[in-house]
Amino acid sequence: AQSVTQLDSHVSVSEGTPVLLRCNYSSSYSPSLFWYVQHPNKGLQLLLKYTSAATLVKGINGFEAEFKKSETSFHLTKPSAHMSDAAEYFCAVSGEGNGGSQGNLIFGKGTKLSVKP
Amino acid sequence: DTGVSQNPRHKITKRGQNVTFRCDPISEHNRLYWYRQTLGQGPEFLTYFQNEAQLEKSRLLSDRFSAERPKGSFSTLEIQRTEQGDSAMYLCASSARDRGPRGYTFGSGTRLTVV
Repeated sequence: AQSVTQLDSHVSVSEGTPVLLRCNYSSSYSPSLFWYVQHPNKGLQLLLKYTSAATLVKGINGFEAEFKKSETSFHLTKPSAHMSDAAEYFCAVSGEGNGGSQGNLIFGKGTKLSVKP
Repeated sequence: DTGVSQNPRHKITKRGQNVTFRCDPISEHNRLYWYRQTLGQGPEFLTYFQNEAQLEKSRLLSDRFSAERPKGSFSTLEIQRTEQGDSAMYLCASSARDRGPRGYTFGSGTRLTVV
């Protein structure tokens, strides 16, 4: 069964400093992995996705993530935080195609990112 | 097309009442998903439709929950005899069949508060 662990429930950085949000996954099959952002009282917006192409994935708003199979990780990074990045971030894995749930996502519990001025 | 639309945005109801939420997906998307997000947690899968067929239901979808997608367009999620534990954000997403979660678009959600 697939699962996702977000290692930090809360990360605080200063504006202009790098961001690292950690995500580890468990999957019996070659996974598709996703990062979503959620601003207060809003829905989820896709930041980026890994679907077995390039292991370094670039997303919107300067975010990127690297798929590391040996470490079962898919950490999200950004070189320089902006105040508008303050939000909750969710890592997710898809079990699509493995005989399990077709097309649903399994989410981590989220990491709240705070950005200090 | 303005994306996935969910109504109402907020709903406050008394315990024991029935509530119904609506989701209008992106028109060319034939898959529609419902998720529930409780405070401090990530979204959890409830059910999904391909066209009008409900193909999978999570064990989270108790007997008090029912979802429909007549004619394969909009979908409704009904909760009967609401309980305080039903308080959550209910999210809808749609995608094209050949994209699955790689092509998800989420709506803004319906926040349910049961008092």
